Amino acid sequence: DGGITQSPKYLFRKEGQNVTLSCEQNLNHDAMYWYRQDPGQGLRLIYYSQIVNDFQKGDIAEGYSVSREKKESFPLTVTSAQKNPTAFYLCASSIDSWRYGYTFGSGTRLTVV
Amino acid sequence: GQQLNQSPQSMFIQEGEDVSMNCTSSSIFNTWLWYKQDPGEGPVLLIALYKAGELTSNGRLTAQFGITRKDSFLNISASIPSDVGIYFCAGLNYGGSQGNLIFGKGTKLSVKP
Repeated sequence: DGGITQSPKYLFRKEGQNVTLSCEQNLNHDAMYWYRQDPGQGLRLIYYSQIVNDFQKGDIAEGYSVSREKKESFPLTVTSAQKNPTAFYLCASSIDSWRYGYTFGSGTRLTVV
Repeated sequence: GQQLNQSPQSMFIQEGEDVSMNCTSSSIFNTWLWYKQDPGEGPVLLIALYKAGELTSNGRLTAQFGITRKDSFLNISASIPSDVGIYFCAGLNYGGSQGNLIFGKGTKLSVKP
């Protein structure tokens, strides 16, 4: 079955360490997105990519980096520059957002201690 | 950036009651979407709306695309415990979102058996 997979589900890191969250899709979608979710804050866009080898900053890109070397993969690195990295991170993809919106992964909960 | 105002922020209802929530914007939207997020999971698309005045049902869920194109409504009839979660509205317009969905902050629904 086609879908979008985020791994791991739970991730713990020490403060000051970089950490990379995985997002893989086999839906043949061109566009991919990363969102951050905090309680009561809704979904905030970190980065998005409309096509391979191209990506754009979203509303809260500071302290994060991404790459899009393959259509299927859009990993997110949370760097030590991100002041408050503990959050729930959601990856999404779309083929035609106007008709079908986004398909979301099941999320990664990152806890930095 | 553009914003969607979603209300109410939270609801506590008794099983069997009907639920209404809405989303408003200062801008015209061309597509309205409603998502549900179960605790600890990614959002799942419930209903998509494409034309002003459109009324669409999905089981006990009914959503409407407002006539002014600046609002949308979601109703849930005869709520059950598995309706618990966060409901997000999302919109797209031709103006400046580049095909990126704009999300409301969500309505958190709690259902008492």
